[in-house]
Amino acid sequence: DQQVKQNSPSLSVQEGRISILNCDYTNSMFDYFLWYKKYPAEGPTFLISISSIKDKNEDGRFTVFLNKSAKHLSLHIVPSQPGDSAVYFCAAGNAGNNRKLIWGLGTSLAVNP
Amino acid sequence: SAVISQKPSRDICQRGTSLTIQCQVDSQVTMMFWYRQQPGQSLTLIATANQGSEATYESGFVIDKFPISRPNLTFSTLTVSNMSPEDSSIYLCSVVQSRYRQSSFYNEQFFGPGTRLTVL
Repeated sequence: DQQVKQNSPSLSVQEGRISILNCDYTNSMFDYFLWYKKYPAEGPTFLISISSIKDKNEDGRFTVFLNKSAKHLSLHIVPSQPGDSAVYFCAAGNAGNNRKLIWGLGTSLAVNP
Repeated sequence: SAVISQKPSRDICQRGTSLTIQCQVDSQVTMMFWYRQQPGQSLTLIATANQGSEATYESGFVIDKFPISRPNLTFSTLTVSNMSPEDSSIYLCSVVQSRYRQSSFYNEQFFGPGTRLTVL
């Protein structure tokens, strides 16, 4: 049972346009969510997070939106740059659950010049 | 943020042999984890490395196959024992640090660069 789902394995966007990466979850006990970016031959690096008490968090070009009723979150990258090309993982956790994160399968983003 | 190094970065091993992967963190951390990412799969938690006691393994992973050591708060090893081609994967060490952002505490997780293992 996949508790965190990223249904799009890949996404291709033109440089300068918006990239929208989606993530759905099934467990209503999750109280925080994170996005990680992973380049080939490197470990995932933290990008942005959001607590379940918020519906939006913004950090520069990156904004994460959370819709708790739909159990859905999305990462917006505006404007997209070729250096953003990477695999993006959505992860969810519960502060009381020994800090374990549940991970999605990832979405490979390609930003074309 | 924590800086994590892993050795080796990659290895090619023969079936039936064992490989020990080392993880070094530049600061003391309480929570340290070992993950693997098999081809086409997401990150899967193998175990939580506990300092001073036995590791806590996730369902499907056992100590005989993946023995873990955690002698102190900055270092851990994961051994992949009696390897088979199905063990070919990227193995990642990870630590958790609590951060305070926007009036909330977050458990941010940091990863090492990974060890790419190929078993022939």
